[in-house]
Amino acid sequence: DTEVTQTPKHLVMGMTNKKSLKCEQHMGHRAMYWYKQKAKKPPELMFVYSYEKLSINESVPSRFSPECPNSSLLNLHLHALQPEDSALYLCASSQDGLGYTFGSGTRLTVV
Amino acid sequence: QKEVEQDPGPLSVPEGAIVSLNCTYSNSAFQYFMWYRQYSRKGPELLMYTYSSGNKEDGRFTAQVDKSSKYISLFIRDSQPSDSATYLCASRTESHMRFGAGTRLTVKP
Repeated sequence: DTEVTQTPKHLVMGMTNKKSLKCEQHMGHRAMYWYKQKAKKPPELMFVYSYEKLSINESVPSRFSPECPNSSLLNLHLHALQPEDSALYLCASSQDGLGYTFGSGTRLTVV
Repeated sequence: QKEVEQDPGPLSVPEGAIVSLNCTYSNSAFQYFMWYRQYSRKGPELLMYTYSSGNKEDGRFTAQVDKSSKYISLFIRDSQPSDSATYLCASRTESHMRFGAGTRLTVKP
């Protein structure tokens, strides 16, 4: 299995909702990442979970919270989002920190 | 100033053309340089990566890094319609990676 699987592929949520994005990989990679990508913009790093240690981009608001239940799973919990949070959310994994394997992403729309 | 700058295009070429995609970067600490391809509504896919200056070839793709001018290039030979995608360069230090915004390429049959 050489894939990163993200669910759901599409999500529409209201500003008062709580939802979760899920990411799974079975390549034995020790690092997993959440990125946010707006149209025609580069992916922006949100969180890194590497060797059981979480690193946070301090510019990411607290309405986003990551969870790593085990080395194969990385969730992103969403709460009280704003319309400007609408974007493509990408999960990636890597063994060496150089070559990232990305999932297809979750396209999130906040209404 | 963005750490990695990339012309967003769009770039349109006929099938069979040689394509040149370029990025510049500002952080001298960058040591690793990557190229990703992103199809519409998909995540980026790693094409190749290089360490420091020099060339690296993989089939129709050649990556080139010139650290003296902080310039990164990707050449695609005999371009195909299936190469139509957005190409993102990325650079990495020991601690963080930065992506360019991507160049949208269309190869017309």
